Amino acid sequence: GQNIDQPTEMTATEGAIVQINCTYQTSGFNGLFWYQQHAGEAPTFLSYNVLDGLEEKGRFSSFLSRSKGYSYLLLKELQMKDSASYLCAAMDSNYQLIWGAGTKLIIKP
Amino acid sequence: GAGVSQSPSNKVTEKGKDVELRCDPISGHTALYWYRQSLGQGLEFLIYFQGNSAPDKSGLPSDRFSAERTGGSVSTLTIQRTQQEDSAVYLCASSSEIEKLFFGSGTQLSVL
Repeated sequence: GQNIDQPTEMTATEGAIVQINCTYQTSGFNGLFWYQQHAGEAPTFLSYNVLDGLEEKGRFSSFLSRSKGYSYLLLKELQMKDSASYLCAAMDSNYQLIWGAGTKLIIKP
Repeated sequence: GAGVSQSPSNKVTEKGKDVELRCDPISGHTALYWYRQSLGQGLEFLIYFQGNSAPDKSGLPSDRFSAERTGGSVSTLTIQRTQQEDSAVYLCASSSEIEKLFFGSGTQLSVL
């Protein structure tokens, strides 16, 4: 079956760095997505990886290892506004997204 | 509008009633998705439209759920004879390219 695993909740300190891990099992693979979702709001796109390696975009970076079925989202210089849920999703061979349950990130001052 | 618009934003209904949820995608986006999100859960895929056709209806949980899209634009999701387990946030998303979905703010459905 198809499955996405990510931690339920993480806590970090303002100004620090946090890494949110995601492992996936899908029928075929057409890329790995990260979305940010603030409480009560719609998810918004953060990143898309289809090749192995690290993609950096400002304070956020996303890494993919296709051989390991593994990705992580790295957030640097954490700000209070980064408190949100981070959703990992893998696209299967039919170009359908399989979503994880999300990681709730709590930022403490 | 500039983004995906969903209406109503909140809907409270009685068990057994029918409800209709509307999604107005970003102009020009050919792909449209409906998802359901229960509290603390991931996104549950319901249905996908490419233009007016729905090549993938596999996510609809029962025959009480149906969806249509007309003119390659607005879509409606209809839930007949609502049950309490239908209570969730229903999210619509549209895209013009595989790599990025744009989500609406969702409809919070509460079935009493």
